[in-house]
Amino acid sequence: GQNIDQPTEMTATEGAIVQINCTYQTSGFNGLFWYQQHAGEAPTFLSYNVLDGLEEKGRFSSFLSRSKGYSYLLLKELQMKDSASYLCAVRDIDYKLSFGAGTTVTVRA
Amino acid sequence: GAVVSQHPSRVICKSGTSVKIECRSLDFQATTMFWYRQFPKQSLMLMATSNEGSKATYEQGVEKDKFLINHASLTLSTLTVTSAHPEDSSFYICSDRYGVTGGLIDTQYFGPGTRLTVL
Repeated sequence: GQNIDQPTEMTATEGAIVQINCTYQTSGFNGLFWYQQHAGEAPTFLSYNVLDGLEEKGRFSSFLSRSKGYSYLLLKELQMKDSASYLCAVRDIDYKLSFGAGTTVTVRA
Repeated sequence: GAVVSQHPSRVICKSGTSVKIECRSLDFQATTMFWYRQFPKQSLMLMATSNEGSKATYEQGVEKDKFLINHASLTLSTLTVTSAHPEDSSFYICSDRYGVTGGLIDTQYFGPGTRLTVL
């Protein structure tokens, strides 16, 4: 199984940068995903890491260290619409996703 | 990119009735699809893996006779909640895997979800 930990809440100012950390313990690692979920909606895909290093996609970047069981999602130039829950998910060798509890990010003007 | 659709988006039903939820992969053929459930203020929990042409595999604690899964074609998987009760009220979301093992693209997209309310 997977044990996935991420902070419950984070608050930041519009235009700032926020980093959401995720640590995991896994019995069979096959990729780490970050999803964004707005209230009442399904998760939307943000990033996927399977090798160590940084993946950059516009304002969002994700980092993975497999040896440390650690990932982070970096959100730059925060906008009000970025207020949402961010889910860290680890995939196993059967392609099943296990999710962390999610980090609620609140962006303030 | 891959698109997954679900129908219906919302269902309100009486206790004891059965509800069918459809999940379609629109852009590619999905031999495997996944069904998740999310209760309020909680994260997503995998319920079962839907395999085209064979029986679904269920996660521990999920009743296979209550949550019937059929994956009759490469683009359609259905979840039927039989004899629904208020405790089954939840947000049901399907997903499929898009990409090739070891390839540059290998991700999983979610459908828009179905919100089930059992009265």
